[in-house]
Amino acid sequence: AQSVTQPDIHITVSEGASLELRCNYSYGATPYLFWYVQSPGQGLQLLLKYFSGDTLVQGIKGFEAEFKRSQSSFNLRKPSVHWSDAAEYFCAVGGFGNEKLTFGTGTRLTIIP
Amino acid sequence: GAVVSQHPSWVICKSGTSVKIECRSLDFQATTMFWYRQFPKQSLMLMATSNEGSKATYEQGVEKDKFLINHASLTLSTLTVTSAHPEDSSFYICRISRRLGARTEAFFGQGTRLTVV
Repeated sequence: AQSVTQPDIHITVSEGASLELRCNYSYGATPYLFWYVQSPGQGLQLLLKYFSGDTLVQGIKGFEAEFKRSQSSFNLRKPSVHWSDAAEYFCAVGGFGNEKLTFGTGTRLTIIP
Repeated sequence: GAVVSQHPSWVICKSGTSVKIECRSLDFQATTMFWYRQFPKQSLMLMATSNEGSKATYEQGVEKDKFLINHASLTLSTLTVTSAHPEDSSFYICRISRRLGARTEAFFGQGTRLTVV
């Protein structure tokens, strides 16, 4: 069975500071990994995805994530956060030929001035 | 531009009535659509997989007779919450998938906030 763990329920970061959101997954084969962002009352927007190749993936809005197979992790990072980054972030895992995505429980990001 | 259109974005209904939510694929034919439910401050839980021209596949614990899914065309899937009750109040989101070779891209609708009073 596939699963995703986001250990941090809520993170507070000062504007301009760096950010790392953790994601650990469990998947029996080569995983496809995703990070989504959700603003209150909105749908989900894809930030980035990893299928294969370079393990450091660049996404939109200045986000990046690194796939580490040995650690079963896909942590999301941003060098300098902006107040507009405050939202809920979800990590998800799927696989080849598997259109089902399993989502983590999400990490709520709060930005303080 | 938007790939998926979900309508309505919010709805308030009386207990015991039914509500229909539509999910449209705008840019391509989607043979498979997924319906999720999200309770406040929780993650997305897959309810069912909607296949064009066939019956939906429901996840364990999801009542088929309560959450009716119809995927009559390659661009439209509907979720009907029948005899809604306050505990059905939630955020419902559809997702469509597009195969690009061995990869699958996922696009989400904007979500529907259902409040049952």
